[in-house]
Amino acid sequence: GAVVSQHPSRVICKSGTSVKIECRSLDFQATTMFWYRQFPKQSLMLMATSNEGSKATYEQGVEKDKFLINHASLTLSTLTVTSAHPEDSSFYICSASGGLAGFNEQFFGPGTRLTVL
Amino acid sequence: SQQGEEDPQALSIQEGENATMNCSYKTSINNLQWYRQNSGRGLVHLILIRSNEREKHSGRLRVTLDTSKKSSSLLITASRAADTASYFCATDEAGANSKLTFGKGITLSVRP
Repeated sequence: GAVVSQHPSRVICKSGTSVKIECRSLDFQATTMFWYRQFPKQSLMLMATSNEGSKATYEQGVEKDKFLINHASLTLSTLTVTSAHPEDSSFYICSASGGLAGFNEQFFGPGTRLTVL
Repeated sequence: SQQGEEDPQALSIQEGENATMNCSYKTSINNLQWYRQNSGRGLVHLILIRSNEREKHSGRLRVTLDTSKKSSSLLITASRAADTASYFCATDEAGANSKLTFGKGITLSVRP
């Protein structure tokens, strides 16, 4: 149980385009989802926390107009990287918690590798 | 400032040996968690230890927590080549709405 999926697993896009990444909790209702970014050989950095039906809370230094987060249902959150640039190339990972999965543990998706040319 | 700091940053051992990884943190926590990440993959949750616990076991894993020293250790016994991965500690800070702060990670290489 407590499986989180991400789609796509890998995306390559041109500079200036927007990319949407989906995060789904497959077998539980996630009241809270988290989005992280991980650069090569570095740790995970929390970008934002989203609660179903409300606006996301962004970490300091993360541009909310560039990284749009929508958590419209208890099983789906999306991250849209708008006007992507090469420096946005990174590994984006989501996690989910809440519902029957509990609130102490976050269940992580497999990640999305974004490459901006 | 970095909440979780693991050491060593890289560890190379022979299969069958034990691997010990340490993590230090700065603030009060609700719990501390250890995760494993294989190259280019998502995170796998290994173990969670609450702030009122001192030691926890799960299979070949043993985790200790010393809240007075704000430190934790992860011991993997009888290591296997498949244990080769990056290991991260993450702290759930008290009052931080279940946000996790990750350390920089330790790269473990287990030689067959």
